[in-house]
Amino acid sequence: DAGVIQSPRHEVTEMGQEVTLRCKPISGHDYLFWYRQTMMRGLELLIYFNNNVPIDDSGMPEDRFSAKMPNASFSTLKIQPSEPRDSAVYFCASSFVGGFGEKLFFGSGTQLSVL
Amino acid sequence: DQQVKQNSPSLSVQEGRISILNCDYTNSMFDYFLWYKKYPAEGPTFLISISSIKDKNEDGRFTVFLNKSAKHLSLHIVPSQPGDSAVYFCAASALNNDMRFGAGTRLTVKP
Repeated sequence: DAGVIQSPRHEVTEMGQEVTLRCKPISGHDYLFWYRQTMMRGLELLIYFNNNVPIDDSGMPEDRFSAKMPNASFSTLKIQPSEPRDSAVYFCASSFVGGFGEKLFFGSGTQLSVL
Repeated sequence: DQQVKQNSPSLSVQEGRISILNCDYTNSMFDYFLWYKKYPAEGPTFLISISSIKDKNEDGRFTVFLNKSAKHLSLHIVPSQPGDSAVYFCAASALNNDMRFGAGTRLTVKP
């Protein structure tokens, strides 16, 4: 398996634009997580899905952020409109059986810069 | 709120010596703890874990210690090697199946 695949690797956009980050989890994994890494807060959990259903989105910063998982092999994280404070590295991770005691497999991340 | 805290943003040690990375947590519902290692431009990768029923887990040069009463865990690397230089994240999970991470500690091992 190729592991968790995220695209794009880098995204530079202007304030107010829509940004869509994409993730393909490892085949067979039934949990998918979106994290954001910042210097101040480290890795923050934004939202996670189980069997394509959002379970906890309490970490999503505000209504500008939305995430979907239309099928077991694809998820998107959308920011609309984007703001400079959204600049961070966004990671997608997947696991089998869930995060409880089960290690997560991370993608390489998307480095987002909002100018 | 930061339920998992790594208060040392950086640590520098000499090759061959011991590296000790610390982590504190506030949520008493956490009962599984993990350490991840992250190199630049890569995602974090799993390193070692421990469940709350244990107080120590060892894997080669890496040992994790858990003190539940103090809500504290630590990662020991002995002996440290230059290839261990990375950012180390402490993580904790509970029965609700999400995983919370600390802010990370950047370890530099000097040759």
